[in-house]
Formats: sequence, C-alpha cells, structure tokens
Amino acid sequence: EAQVTQNPRYLITVTGKKLTVTCSQNMNHEYMSWYRQDPGLGLRQIYYSMNVEVTDKGDVPEGYKVSRKEKRNFPLILESPSPNQTSLYFCASSFETAGVDTQYFGPGTRLTVL
Amino acid sequence: QKEVEQNSGPLSVPEGAIASLNCTYSDRGSQSFFWYRQYSGKSPELIMSIYSNGDKEDGRFTAQLNKASQYVSLLIRDSQPSDSATYLCAIVAQKLVFGQGTRLTINP
Repeated sequence: EAQVTQNPRYLITVTGKKLTVTCSQNMNHEYMSWYRQDPGLGLRQIYYSMNVEVTDKGDVPEGYKVSRKEKRNFPLILESPSPNQTSLYFCASSFETAGVDTQYFGPGTRLTVL
Repeated sequence: QKEVEQNSGPLSVPEGAIASLNCTYSDRGSQSFFWYRQYSGKSPELIMSIYSNGDKEDGRFTAQLNKASQYVSLLIRDSQPSDSATYLCAIVAQKLVFGQGTRLTINP
C-alpha cells in the first residue's frame, strides 16, 4: 500500500530534550516536506527536500533541523524543543515539486512540549 | 494581507443543501489551486485540483476558479453529514501555500 508513515504519532516531552520524528514514504517520491498545523494558522511549511541531500527552509524553520540521506526518509529533528513547538506535525511527499503533483500526507504527530 | 484567505467558519449547512466554500489569494501569478479535506484528527486529503478559469466538476464537488478576481471556490451538492470536515484551500505561486481552513458542519 502506498503510504507516508510517521513515528511517533503522539509525544509528550519536556523543554530542551532532543527528539526526532521519523517520516518514511514507499512511493519513490522525489519531494518531501514537513508542516506544522496550529489553530487559526493553517498548515505552515517547516522544511522541504527536493531530492536526496537537498533540503531547504520553508516558512517557519527556526528550531528545527532535517536531513535527507535516503530518498524514502526525511526525519524532523528538534534539538532543544520549547513549548511554542507544541503542535500537530505532518510529513508529506509528492513525485514532483509540491503543487505540480498530488501531495500525500502522513497521519500526523501530535507533539506536546512541557 | 495573507497569501491565502478563507473564512474559518464554522459554516453550518443542512443535509441535502449546497455548501459553498470560498478562498481568495493575493499572488496574481498563482497557477495551481487545490482543495483538501481534513477530518478532525486526520491528515489532509486532496479532493479537487483546478488550473484554468471556469468550473471543474467531480461527482458532488465543483471547483470554480476566477483568476481575474483572484478567488477559488468549492461547491458541495447534496451535502451529507460525512462531508463535515475542515476544507483547506491551497495555492501554488512560488510555492504551495495553505489557507487556514473552513470548518464545515452538515446538519442532519
């Protein structure tokens, strides 16, 4: 089954404790991205990657890191989480650059930083 | 001015009626327009895409695009309770940008 998977689905952590949210897709997609969704603000892009070893900042990259060592994986790293990073996070992938092709979203990761 | 604007709602529509969702955008160079549906606690799923002026129909859904007026809309005919969700408008100009979404409730 074609899908985007994220882990964990739910995470409660404390300020400053490094965490990684994994994202994996099995569709051989070139383009992957991370979004956060907050009430009243919609989906905002954090980082995106157009191919292996190619990543770039989205609209709200501060406090986040990403890497793209393999085509299928695009982990999101929070080196020192803070409460303002409490949010719902989605990973998405598409065959071509987002907008030209359908984006497939993962199930979401609900993160709470205390 | 926000790049993509939607009325956050909630929009309440009786079952069987037409639900009308609207979206305006600021970048006249926008070329691609999408509507995503998002059920509570779930991820967005693409339901319609439109690229040229006019109407595009897919089952009970019709997307309408007017580039001169910079708006895109989604009509849902014969609304069902299962259509209750948040609908996200997304536009591509330099990049893909989402609106904040309109929460739609269909009342039986």
